[in-house]
Amino acid sequence: GQQLNQSPQSMFIQEGEDVSMNCTSSSIFNTWLWYKQDPGEGPVLLIALYKAGELTSNGRLTAQFGITRKDSFLNISASIPSDVGIYFCAGQSGGGADGLTFGKGTHLIIQP
Amino acid sequence: EAGVAQSPRYKIIEKRQSVAFWCNPISGHATLYWYQQILGQGPKLLIQFQNNGVVDDSQLPKDRFSAERLKGVDSTLKIQPAKLEDSAVYLCASKGWGAYEQYFGPGTRLTVT
Repeated sequence: GQQLNQSPQSMFIQEGEDVSMNCTSSSIFNTWLWYKQDPGEGPVLLIALYKAGELTSNGRLTAQFGITRKDSFLNISASIPSDVGIYFCAGQSGGGADGLTFGKGTHLIIQP
Repeated sequence: EAGVAQSPRYKIIEKRQSVAFWCNPISGHATLYWYQQILGQGPKLLIQFQNNGVVDDSQLPKDRFSAERLKGVDSTLKIQPAKLEDSAVYLCASKGWGAYEQYFGPGTRLTVT
């Protein structure tokens, strides 16, 4: 089956720093989604990307849909304590059966 | 607008027992998904419903897992009998017609002892 490689696995940063994480796939996706999950909660949608090359922002978050349709990137600028959590990328192949394929997550830890 | 509702939030059972989880999607969302999230991993799709019909259950372990969405609204996922490796968070998600974005509920954390 399809697999997503998400990196880094974890990040230890200082408050105020910028963060970058990425996701690569062995297969093409039609849609890329980025989620954040806090302990004991379900994933919350941050950004959705719909076409190759697309660059989309949501506040301090910016994500890009790779030209090859096999990768995506998420950047967080000027990190704050509430950014702590696990970030997941997810790819969607499209069509009727459109369940998401998730990466293993990037655990973001912010040191004050 | 209310989000995806799931119950119970936590469940502890012994192996070989049975358990059921309930999900109520966002109002009007025709597509409903069940995912399994094992500790330290991303969610993995178990089954997808479109209204009351199954679209994809290729990753559902059908010897022990079953799911239904009889009236095309809420859904139940059942495990019978449970195994130790079924310990995980079971997430329900829903999607509106023609949309791409899936919205998740808080999940049910299952511990099998």
